Amino acid sequence: AQKITQTQPGMFVQEKEAVTLDCTYDTSDPSYGLFWYKQPSSGEMIFLIYQGSYDQQNATEGRYSLNFQKARKSANLVISASQLGDSAMYFCAMREGWNAGNMLTFGGGTRLMVKP
Amino acid sequence: DTGVSQDPRHKITKRGQNVTFRCDPISEHNRLYWYRQTLGQGPEFLTYFQNEAQLEKSRLLSDRFSAERPKGSFSTLEIQRTEQGDSAMYLCASSLGEGNQETQYFGPGTRLLVL
Repeated sequence: AQKITQTQPGMFVQEKEAVTLDCTYDTSDPSYGLFWYKQPSSGEMIFLIYQGSYDQQNATEGRYSLNFQKARKSANLVISASQLGDSAMYFCAMREGWNAGNMLTFGGGTRLMVKP
Repeated sequence: DTGVSQDPRHKITKRGQNVTFRCDPISEHNRLYWYRQTLGQGPEFLTYFQNEAQLEKSRLLSDRFSAERPKGSFSTLEIQRTEQGDSAMYLCASSLGEGNQETQYFGPGTRLLVL
């Protein structure tokens, strides 16, 4: 079974509107971390936001927020007030366990296109 | 620029040749990771170093692949006898162990094309 599933291969959003990118995950470990990365066409993976499995509140970082629903095992990324520069691939990733050396497992990504 | 750097950014080689990539992590980051990303997919873990010790290797890392991190600073990833299936983006990431919120920061990647 896929550990990280991103069901939207591509999404369009109008500039200045909000958009939600979906991510569901699968783990039996009670301790895990969830990450979102942005990958522009240049290729570099840019860290956006982190949510820990024991965090009581949803994470927020500027225009990015994470809608964490633990019972549903979903960690959707919400981007508010979309900008043209937000057009990129977005990847959801998970690290299982509290061993800080554990690798990240990535989903297949969602391509976001912001329309002017 | 104090981010993760990788060299070269692009590499074209013929099947059967050896290639070597370099990664310079963020200064003082003790952990270094290599990932591989094929077209249209998310990155897949290859291997991980803590300081100079290689602590984990994926089954994706065949015996044609070798990685080193001498002195716990920069790292190299070598692919021997390249195959067309090795064509991919090779991403390096580094982190500073800070418990459960440890964040991996990625470099720009090396795009490999094997002809």
